[in-house]
Amino acid sequence: QVQLVQSGAEVTKPGASVTVSCKTSGYAFNNYGITWVRQAPGQGLEWMGWISSYNEKTNYAQKLQGRITMTTDTTTTGYMELRSLTSDDTAVYYCARTVGAITLYFDHWGQGTLVTVSS
Amino acid sequence: SYDLTQPPSVSVSPGQTARITCSGDPLSKKHAYWYQQKAGQAPLLVIYKDTERPSGVPERFSGSSAGTTVTLTISGVQTEDDAEYFCQSADSSATSVIFGGGTRLTVL
Repeated sequence: QVQLVQSGAEVTKPGASVTVSCKTSGYAFNNYGITWVRQAPGQGLEWMGWISSYNEKTNYAQKLQGRITMTTDTTTTGYMELRSLTSDDTAVYYCARTVGAITLYFDHWGQGTLVTVSS
Repeated sequence: SYDLTQPPSVSVSPGQTARITCSGDPLSKKHAYWYQQKAGQAPLLVIYKDTERPSGVPERFSGSSAGTTVTLTISGVQTEDDAEYFCQSADSSATSVIFGGGTRLTVL
């Protein structure tokens, strides 16, 4: 069955960087993209960006441009690095298997990774 | 603020029908998708391409679309449907994914 398993919770300081991994199994990795979505405490879902597992093409949310990098190992795992962290980046970060070419959607999700930014 | 507008909350009794709306200009040209999120869990896709239901999602979940508004309907609501529901689409230029702010469905 399709699974996306994310790395564990992180506690980090303002100004630092964090990398979250998303290991996939149960499907052909290169046939689907990976999207990253975050959810601040008590808030809604925020799309962060997407990476094609086929050609590593990326599309980042405008508000995160310059601070975010998404990569893959081309076989099973996606990575999301967020830099220059502030308390506003405290959130649960999700990866999701991405379907579609024009309007993307997300048919399987990781379990989420809590990132806490605190001095 | 969010590009797609949802009511903050909807309440129904078990067995009744719940309708959750999502409005926004992109919906007149782009498909909508619906996710269910229970407390402490990751979102789950329940409707895709406005009206399609993924395998494993109960038949009581359905979707419809009219102009700039899409609707998630849950017929014969069960207590296990108590959750937050988010709609999702793409912006008008199809370069970004957009979400609604979420609707808290309370099953009384």
